Amino acid sequence: QVQLQESGPGLVKPSETLSLTCAVSGYSISSGYYWGWIRQPPGKGLEWIGSIYHSGSTYYNPSLKSRVTISVDTSKNQFSLKLSSVTAADTAVYYCARSSAGQLFSYWGQGTLVTVSS
Amino acid sequence: SYVLTQPPSVSVAPGKTARITCGGNNIGSKSVHWYQQKPGQAPVLVIYYDSDRPSGIPERFSGSNSGNTATLTISRVEAGDEADYYCQVWDSSSDHPLVFGGGTKLTVL
Repeated sequence: QVQLQESGPGLVKPSETLSLTCAVSGYSISSGYYWGWIRQPPGKGLEWIGSIYHSGSTYYNPSLKSRVTISVDTSKNQFSLKLSSVTAADTAVYYCARSSAGQLFSYWGQGTLVTVSS
Repeated sequence: SYVLTQPPSVSVAPGKTARITCGGNNIGSKSVHWYQQKPGQAPVLVIYYDSDRPSGIPERFSGSNSGNTATLTISRVEAGDEADYYCQVWDSSSDHPLVFGGGTKLTVL
């Protein structure tokens, strides 16, 4: 059974960099699929942040692209998100998920709340 | 960028049929996926590639896609279907390749 688990600081100061990691179990990232990050501000809808293929190819939401880096570490079977220059508008529950070539997200982590505040 | 429009809310009585729409320019030419999200939980894929159902999703859930509207249909609605529903499309040729709709709150009366 594929499982994903997000981890990282729950509180980030404005202007700093948000860093999250998604640990994958039950499947080897190097075997394939896309791995993505999606966020959801409190009380609002889903927003795709970006996705990375197991080989390292990336797709980013153009509205966040200048601030986002997604990377994969196959040796640790995990992938990561870095979002720079955060503001209060980046406060959200951040989900990691696995998707197919058609970018349907079939496996999701439980989500982690990141609050941007001084 | 591509915009997906969903009604903010849909209400339906138990046992009736709920239809949740997802509007987009020529969405019928794209593949649409649907997710169900209950409070405090991660989204769950309920329909993919317009009308396919993942294993474990009841047959009461179905989907269609044509023209400028995709539709998620839930037959014989149960109280446990009350949730937020999101449509999503992927277009690798777009400058904004992956988009979610704004979400629809399904209320079971």
